[in-house]
Amino acid sequence: GAGVSQSPSNKVTEKGKDVELRCDPISGHTALYWYRQRLGQGLEFLIYFQGNSAPDKSGLPSDRFSAERTGESVSTLTIQRTQQEDSAVYLCASSPYYNEAFFGQGTRLTVV
Amino acid sequence: SQQGEEDPQALSIQEGENATMNCSYKTSINNLQWYRQNSGRGLVHLILIRSNEREKHSGRLRVTLDTSKKSSSLLITASRAADTASYFCATVDSGGSNYKLTFGKGTLLTVNP
Repeated sequence: GAGVSQSPSNKVTEKGKDVELRCDPISGHTALYWYRQRLGQGLEFLIYFQGNSAPDKSGLPSDRFSAERTGESVSTLTIQRTQQEDSAVYLCASSPYYNEAFFGQGTRLTVV
Repeated sequence: SQQGEEDPQALSIQEGENATMNCSYKTSINNLQWYRQNSGRGLVHLILIRSNEREKHSGRLRVTLDTSKKSSSLLITASRAADTASYFCATVDSGGSNYKLTFGKGTLLTVNP
């Protein structure tokens, strides 16, 4: 593909439901990142995958949040028992090692 | 946690003027990057400067890096209305194999026609 692809583009869910967000990185990129951005705010680091190394999960805000990545391909971010404060844009990016990151267009999550 | 801190938080200028944004960070870095974001969605990479570099140019963009002061600046010359966006700096810590990319809170630039 030409770039990082995220799906869905928008997601509205009811409080308490689980959601799964998907990220397709650029082929060959070893690094993959997830960030959360609340309205008018900066990017909050969530999790980082680098090749087959153990992921850096230091940014996950609670145990309701988890992410997986199979090898150097697709990643999914799962939020269980969603809360209204989870409403935000979730951004995924991929990168070749020690170089610029390429971002997807994000998933706008709204919890009602 | 935030690594880079941009200054100012918001900047409003007239078309044709130059815009300068600053970024300060706390740790030793491998490189520092600047990104632009339009309409609160995906970010676009602008320029990367490595810790052994002091200045870099790309078109109307000029980035400087002062590792002794742990700071960087982004200069946009001859600004255009289309430059209106949020600008973020991001750092990669030096050492190890962890390439976590940490962003600041951003500067909102408005270029008035």
